Amino acid sequence: KAGVTQTPRYLIKTRGQQVTLSCSPISGHRSVSWYQQTPGQGLQFLFEYFSETQRNKGNFPGRFSGRQFSNSRSEMNVSTLELGDSALYLCASSLAGDGTQYFGPGTRLLVL
Amino acid sequence: GENVEQHPSTLSVQEGDSAVIKCTYSDSASNYFPWYKQELGKRPQLIIDIRSNVGEKKDQRIAVTLNKTAKHFSLHITETQPEDSAVYFCAASHGSSNTGKLIFGQGTTLQVKP
Repeated sequence: KAGVTQTPRYLIKTRGQQVTLSCSPISGHRSVSWYQQTPGQGLQFLFEYFSETQRNKGNFPGRFSGRQFSNSRSEMNVSTLELGDSALYLCASSLAGDGTQYFGPGTRLLVL
Repeated sequence: GENVEQHPSTLSVQEGDSAVIKCTYSDSASNYFPWYKQELGKRPQLIIDIRSNVGEKKDQRIAVTLNKTAKHFSLHITETQPEDSAVYFCAASHGSSNTGKLIFGQGTTLQVKP
Protein backbone atom coordinates (compact mmCIF):
# COMPACT_ATOMS: atom_id res chain seq x y z
CA LYS A 1 0.00 0.00 0.00
CA ALA A 2 1.15 3.52 -0.67
CA GLY A 3 2.02 5.54 2.39
CA VAL A 4 0.57 8.80 3.60
CA THR A 5 1.25 11.65 1.18
CA GLN A 6 1.14 15.38 1.72
CA THR A 7 1.18 18.27 -0.72
CA PRO A 8 2.81 20.62 -1.14
CA ARG A 9 6.07 19.67 0.54
CA TYR A 10 7.31 23.23 0.90
CA LEU A 11 5.49 26.53 1.00
CA ILE A 12 6.51 30.15 1.47
CA LYS A 13 3.83 32.68 2.35
CA THR A 14 3.70 36.21 3.73
CA ARG A 15 1.91 37.41 6.84
CA GLY A 16 -1.81 37.84 6.39
CA GLN A 17 -2.13 35.31 3.60
CA GLN A 18 -3.93 32.02 3.91
CA VAL A 19 -2.76 28.52 3.05
CA THR A 20 -4.31 25.12 2.36
CA LEU A 21 -2.43 21.89 2.94
CA SER A 22 -3.51 18.48 1.70
CA CYS A 23 -3.14 14.97 3.12
CA SER A 24 -3.96 11.66 1.45
CA PRO A 25 -4.17 8.81 3.95
CA ILE A 26 -3.26 5.17 3.46
CA SER A 27 -5.98 3.40 1.51
CA GLY A 28 -8.66 2.13 3.89
CA HIS A 29 -7.71 4.49 6.72
CA ARG A 30 -10.60 6.64 7.85
CA SER A 31 -8.93 8.76 10.52
CA VAL A 32 -6.62 11.65 9.73
CA SER A 33 -4.89 13.64 12.47
CA TRP A 34 -2.91 16.83 11.99
CA TYR A 35 0.08 17.97 14.04
CA GLN A 36 2.27 21.05 14.09
CA GLN A 37 5.97 20.49 14.72
CA THR A 38 8.28 23.31 15.80
CA PRO A 39 11.68 23.25 17.54
CA GLY A 40 10.28 25.09 20.55
CA GLN A 41 6.91 23.41 21.05
CA GLY A 42 7.57 19.95 19.64
CA LEU A 43 4.69 17.98 18.16
CA GLN A 44 1.31 19.50 18.96
CA PHE A 45 -2.07 18.07 18.02
CA LEU A 46 -4.24 20.29 15.82
CA PHE A 47 -7.31 18.19 15.06
CA GLU A 48 -8.57 14.80 13.91
CA TYR A 49 -11.12 13.92 11.28
CA PHE A 50 -13.00 10.65 11.04
CA SER A 51 -15.68 9.91 8.47
CA GLU A 52 -15.77 13.55 7.36
CA THR A 53 -16.38 14.80 10.93
CA GLN A 54 -14.00 16.63 13.22
CA ARG A 55 -13.76 14.31 16.19
CA ASN A 56 -11.14 16.09 18.26
CA LYS A 57 -9.54 19.49 18.38
CA GLY A 58 -6.35 20.79 19.98
CA ASN A 59 -5.64 24.17 21.52
CA PHE A 60 -5.10 26.23 18.41
CA PRO A 61 -6.90 29.44 17.41
CA GLY A 62 -9.84 29.40 15.04
CA ARG A 63 -7.55 30.46 12.19
CA PHE A 64 -6.65 26.79 11.94
CA SER A 65 -9.38 24.70 10.36
CA GLY A 66 -9.74 21.53 8.41
CA ARG A 67 -12.05 19.20 6.61
CA GLN A 68 -12.23 15.66 5.33
CA PHE A 69 -13.70 14.40 2.12
CA SER A 70 -15.65 11.22 1.43
CA ASN A 71 -12.48 9.49 0.18
CA SER A 72 -10.83 10.29 3.56
CA ARG A 73 -8.44 12.84 2.06
CA SER A 74 -8.08 15.79 4.38
CA GLU A 75 -7.15 19.42 4.07
CA MET A 76 -6.16 21.94 6.67
CA ASN A 77 -6.39 25.68 6.22
CA VAL A 78 -4.64 28.46 8.07
CA SER A 79 -6.00 31.95 7.55
CA THR A 80 -4.36 35.28 8.33
CA LEU A 81 -0.91 33.74 8.62
CA GLU A 82 1.42 34.89 11.38
CA LEU A 83 5.20 34.53 11.61
CA GLY A 84 4.71 32.01 14.41
CA ASP A 85 2.82 29.69 12.08
CA SER A 86 6.11 28.74 10.43
CA ALA A 87 6.42 25.03 11.14
CA LEU A 88 6.37 21.52 9.77
CA TYR A 89 2.77 20.37 9.44
CA LEU A 90 2.37 16.63 9.67
CA CYS A 91 -0.66 14.54 9.06
CA ALA A 92 -1.08 10.96 10.22
CA SER A 93 -3.60 8.36 9.25
CA SER A 94 -4.94 5.34 11.07
CA LEU A 95 -7.70 2.83 10.49
CA ALA A 96 -10.10 4.21 13.08
CA GLY A 97 -8.05 6.58 15.23
CA ASP A 98 -7.27 4.38 18.19
CA GLY A 99 -4.36 2.49 16.73
CA THR A 100 -1.10 3.05 14.99
CA GLN A 101 -0.78 6.41 13.32
CA TYR A 102 1.33 6.57 10.17
CA PHE A 103 2.81 9.93 9.39
CA GLY A 104 3.18 11.68 6.08
CA PRO A 105 6.40 13.50 5.07
CA GLY A 106 5.00 16.84 6.17
CA THR A 107 4.58 20.26 4.62
CA ARG A 108 7.18 22.79 5.67
CA LEU A 109 5.57 26.22 5.85
CA LEU A 110 7.62 29.39 6.09
CA VAL A 111 5.81 32.63 6.81
CA LEU A 112 7.73 35.82 5.98
CA GLY B 1 -4.36 19.42 31.47
CA GLU B 2 -2.97 16.68 29.31
CA ASN B 3 0.79 16.46 29.45
CA VAL B 4 3.62 14.06 28.65
CA GLU B 5 7.03 14.71 30.19
CA GLN B 6 10.03 13.09 28.50
CA HIS B 7 13.58 12.74 29.84
CA PRO B 8 16.38 13.17 29.07
CA SER B 9 16.27 15.76 26.30
CA THR B 10 19.64 14.56 24.98
CA LEU B 11 21.41 11.26 25.42
CA SER B 12 24.85 10.25 24.21
CA VAL B 13 26.01 6.63 24.41
CA GLN B 14 28.82 4.52 23.02
CA GLU B 15 27.99 1.99 20.34
CA GLY B 16 26.97 -1.26 21.98
CA ASP B 17 25.72 0.38 25.18
CA SER B 18 22.06 0.54 26.21
CA ALA B 19 19.88 3.64 26.09
CA VAL B 20 16.82 4.36 28.23
CA ILE B 21 14.29 7.13 27.69
CA LYS B 22 11.55 7.79 30.22
CA CYS B 23 8.12 9.40 29.93
CA THR B 24 5.44 10.36 32.41
CA TYR B 25 1.85 11.11 31.44
CA SER B 26 -0.88 12.96 33.30
CA ASP B 27 -4.14 11.54 31.92
CA SER B 28 -4.93 8.39 33.86
CA ALA B 29 -7.42 7.38 31.15
CA SER B 30 -4.69 7.11 28.48
CA ASN B 31 -4.45 3.57 27.20
CA TYR B 32 -2.15 3.63 24.19
CA PHE B 33 1.54 4.58 24.26
CA PRO B 34 3.55 4.65 21.01
CA TRP B 35 7.19 5.55 20.47
CA TYR B 36 8.35 7.26 17.29
CA LYS B 37 11.80 7.72 15.82
CA GLN B 38 12.46 10.76 13.66
CA GLU B 39 15.63 11.09 11.64
CA LEU B 40 16.72 14.49 10.42
CA GLY B 41 14.45 15.76 7.67
CA LYS B 42 12.24 12.68 7.76
CA ARG B 43 8.80 11.79 9.04
CA PRO B 44 8.26 10.21 12.48
CA GLN B 45 8.28 6.42 12.22
CA LEU B 46 6.61 4.15 14.76
CA ILE B 47 9.14 1.83 16.35
CA ILE B 48 7.09 0.19 19.09
CA ASP B 49 3.85 0.72 20.98
CA ILE B 50 2.13 -0.68 24.03
CA ARG B 51 -1.41 -0.75 25.36
CA SER B 52 -2.41 -0.38 28.97
CA ASN B 53 -3.30 -4.04 29.43
CA VAL B 54 0.34 -5.02 28.85
CA GLY B 55 3.30 -4.26 31.11
CA GLU B 56 6.16 -4.91 28.71
CA LYS B 57 6.70 -5.46 25.01
CA LYS B 58 9.86 -6.38 23.11
CA ASP B 59 10.89 -6.24 19.49
CA GLN B 60 14.46 -7.37 18.91
CA ARG B 61 16.72 -4.69 20.46
CA ILE B 62 13.83 -2.46 21.49
CA ALA B 63 11.56 -2.83 24.51
CA VAL B 64 8.94 -0.69 26.19
CA THR B 65 7.75 -0.98 29.77
CA LEU B 66 4.59 0.55 31.23
CA ASN B 67 3.72 1.27 34.86
CA LYS B 68 0.10 2.40 34.89
CA THR B 69 0.04 3.01 38.62
CA ALA B 70 2.93 5.45 38.41
CA LYS B 71 1.81 6.72 34.98
CA HIS B 72 5.17 6.28 33.36
CA PHE B 73 6.61 4.28 30.50
CA SER B 74 10.11 3.78 29.19
CA LEU B 75 11.92 2.87 25.98
CA HIS B 76 14.93 0.59 26.21
CA ILE B 77 17.34 0.15 23.31
CA THR B 78 20.05 -2.47 23.75
CA GLU B 79 23.25 -2.93 21.76
CA THR B 80 22.92 0.54 20.26
CA GLN B 81 24.23 1.19 16.76
CA PRO B 82 25.13 4.46 15.00
CA GLU B 83 21.96 4.17 12.90
CA ASP B 84 19.92 4.43 16.12
CA SER B 85 20.98 8.11 16.28
CA ALA B 86 17.78 10.16 15.90
CA VAL B 87 15.14 12.03 17.88
CA TYR B 88 12.77 9.76 19.79
CA PHE B 89 9.27 10.83 20.83
CA CYS B 90 6.97 9.15 23.29
CA ALA B 91 3.24 9.77 23.14
CA ALA B 92 0.09 8.96 25.05
CA SER B 93 -3.42 8.69 23.72
CA HIS B 94 -5.97 11.26 24.74
CA GLY B 95 -8.07 9.37 27.23
CA SER B 96 -9.48 5.96 26.50
CA SER B 97 -11.94 7.04 23.82
CA ASN B 98 -11.65 6.04 20.22
CA THR B 99 -9.87 9.13 18.95
CA GLY B 100 -6.71 9.82 17.00
CA LYS B 101 -5.31 12.40 19.39
CA LEU B 102 -1.79 11.77 20.65
CA ILE B 103 -0.03 13.91 23.23
CA PHE B 104 3.70 13.91 22.55
CA GLY B 105 6.70 14.33 24.81
CA GLN B 106 9.29 16.94 23.90
CA GLY B 107 11.64 14.42 22.32
CA THR B 108 15.05 12.92 23.14
CA THR B 109 18.00 13.38 20.81
CA LEU B 110 19.98 10.16 20.94
CA GLN B 111 23.55 10.15 19.70
CA VAL B 112 25.34 6.82 19.37
CA LYS B 113 29.08 7.27 19.07
CA PRO B 114 30.96 4.67 17.00
